[in-house]
Amino acid sequence: AQTVTQSQPEMSVQEAETVTLSCTYDTSESDYYLFWYKQPPSRQMILVIRQEAYKQQNATENRFSVNFQKAAKSFSLKISDSQLGDAAMYFCAYRNRDDKIIFGKGTRLHILP
Amino acid sequence: GAGVSQSPSNKVTEKGKDVELRCDPISGHTALYWYRQSLGQGLEFLIYFQGNSAPDKSGLPSDRFSAERTGGSVSTLTIQRTQQEDSAVYLCASSLALVESDTQYFGPGTRLTVL
Repeated sequence: AQTVTQSQPEMSVQEAETVTLSCTYDTSESDYYLFWYKQPPSRQMILVIRQEAYKQQNATENRFSVNFQKAAKSFSLKISDSQLGDAAMYFCAYRNRDDKIIFGKGTRLHILP
Repeated sequence: GAGVSQSPSNKVTEKGKDVELRCDPISGHTALYWYRQSLGQGLEFLIYFQGNSAPDKSGLPSDRFSAERTGGSVSTLTIQRTQQEDSAVYLCASSLALVESDTQYFGPGTRLTVL
């Protein structure tokens, strides 16, 4: 069975600094998708970034980028120039052709002014 | 509408009562998903719909849980004889189609509290 592990329940970063959130997953599949979702206090889950497993190039969305290591089954999220609005729960998620998304337990990110 | 909507946003009920949660997906989205998020936990997949059909109901926690979707649009999640352990945020998401590449867009959730 596929699993997603986020080993950091909470993290803090100084505003304008860079922070990396870790995610590892376990699967025997070769084709799948990986996602990072952000959940602010409003509860609304927002897609931050996604990565197709068949693409070697790391996905980037403005200040957000990933370090995708397929062989190591690692998918970390880097947030550059952290802003107060980045404070939220961040969930790593995995999806393959079974059509279910499997989420990690989340990392709560605090931004220190 | 512009996004996925869910109602009610909050629901408080007494143990043993039935509750019905509603999800309105983004117009044109054929796939719809239900998740449960317990306090301090990640999301637990419950069920998905392709059109009005739910091919896999194995994620539903017990036979007290059921879901339906009509007209390929609105979906309702019904919990019968609620228990305290059912207290959680129930999130709905929709995507354009049921393919792994499609992004799921989430609603704001319904917070269910069972007293």
